[in-house]
Amino acid sequence: GESVGLHLPTLSVQEGDNSIINCAYSNSASDYFIWYKQESGKGPQFIIDIRSNMDKRQGQRVTVLLNKTVKHLSLQIAATQPGDSAVYFCAVKNYGGSQGNLIFGKGTKLSVKP
Amino acid sequence: DTAVSQTPKYLVTQMGNDKSIKCEQNLGHDTMYWYKQDSKKFLKIMFSYNNKELIINETVPNRFSPKSPDKAHLNLHINSLELGDSAVYFCASSPQGIGNQPQHFGDGTRLSIL
Repeated sequence: GESVGLHLPTLSVQEGDNSIINCAYSNSASDYFIWYKQESGKGPQFIIDIRSNMDKRQGQRVTVLLNKTVKHLSLQIAATQPGDSAVYFCAVKNYGGSQGNLIFGKGTKLSVKP
Repeated sequence: DTAVSQTPKYLVTQMGNDKSIKCEQNLGHDTMYWYKQDSKKFLKIMFSYNNKELIINETVPNRFSPKSPDKAHLNLHINSLELGDSAVYFCASSPQGIGNQPQHFGDGTRLSIL
């Protein structure tokens, strides 16, 4: 099976600073990882994904880092803006139980102070 | 244009009633999902259909019955609603099976049981 955890349930940052949100997973066979952003009253919105054959992937102001050795995933947001305030979820493809479905972490609430 | 749309957005009903939630996606995806998000924001998969066929059925009470009339629609019917069914239910879709593709979510149906 797969379990997904987050190191911090809440994160508060100053506008303009960089944010780092962490995620740990348990199954070393997991090969696909996704970060989602969920704003209040909305559904999870895809931000960025990474496959296990990579250890870093960059998007617009976001970077995902994958450390397969310690089974750790992080999302870095550069120059955090008030619009980045949301709950962020990591999701990992599951290889136990219902094979292939996504297991979601518990979420980290990011608050950006102006 | 809404990619994954759910109706209704809010559903308030009494214990013991039967209700349905509808979901439609206009992305041309083959696979659709139902997730349940509890009050602590924990998101867990319930069902998945690939091209109208059930491929994931997590441990969900049999009071919950999904139906996929075609690959663009996945509805969720709930019989004999209980207090514990209060949650936000999200529909999602993805391009192919449960491979390495991100899932796209609707904005949720907030179900409240009185």
